[in-house]
Amino acid sequence: ETGVTQTPRHLVMGMTNKKSLKCEQHLGHNAMYWYKQSAKKPLELMFVYNFKEQTENNSVPSRFSPECPNSSHLFLHLHTLQPEDSALYLCASSQDWPSSYEQYFGPGTRLTVT
Amino acid sequence: AQKVTQAQTEISVVEKEDVTLDCVYETRDTTYYLFWYKQPPSGELVFLIRRNSFDEQNEISGRYSWNFQKSTSSFNFTITASQVVDSAVYFCALSDPNTGNQFYFGTGTSLTVIP
Repeated sequence: ETGVTQTPRHLVMGMTNKKSLKCEQHLGHNAMYWYKQSAKKPLELMFVYNFKEQTENNSVPSRFSPECPNSSHLFLHLHTLQPEDSALYLCASSQDWPSSYEQYFGPGTRLTVT
Repeated sequence: AQKVTQAQTEISVVEKEDVTLDCVYETRDTTYYLFWYKQPPSGELVFLIRRNSFDEQNEISGRYSWNFQKSTSSFNFTITASQVVDSAVYFCALSDPNTGNQFYFGTGTSLTVIP
């Protein structure tokens, strides 16, 4: 595997379900990110982890819970989501944070909340 | 406040035509970085270019070229002799050290190249 991988690629869940999104980066980076991409809106940064420590939380509702066990893996735990949470969730990584260098993105998880 | 505007929501061109995607940014800082990403239907954002605010030289990479003009706060992207594989959504982004290098993305321009 190379780059940034995400699983699952598609997820449909009910509002009472609990699920997790997984991200893995194979680039040796120290920083990892979760973004939300909704139609017609700019990408929204949700969380930033640098060396496994959370450094940013952009006012994300508590129904989204990130976890970063090591610099290569990042999870997003989901529970009691709302239909408006349906979106493409993108994981990214960069050498470190803060950094002016490019971020590398995974293919995303298309989430549908019913 | 930092902001990125991509006024062109959707563009369609016929294959082999040239096309320019516009990006206008706002920042009060003198040091900042600009990026372009491509998002094909598969979903993954693919990094294309990074440019710092002190380097106004235009850049060419194959059929891609970028025109950075600080005077108009623009960082436009041109695809020459477009191909069907260029069909994607293209995002411009701004990052500056004074806001922790957080990326500010535009809303994207959807490009369709018609064979």
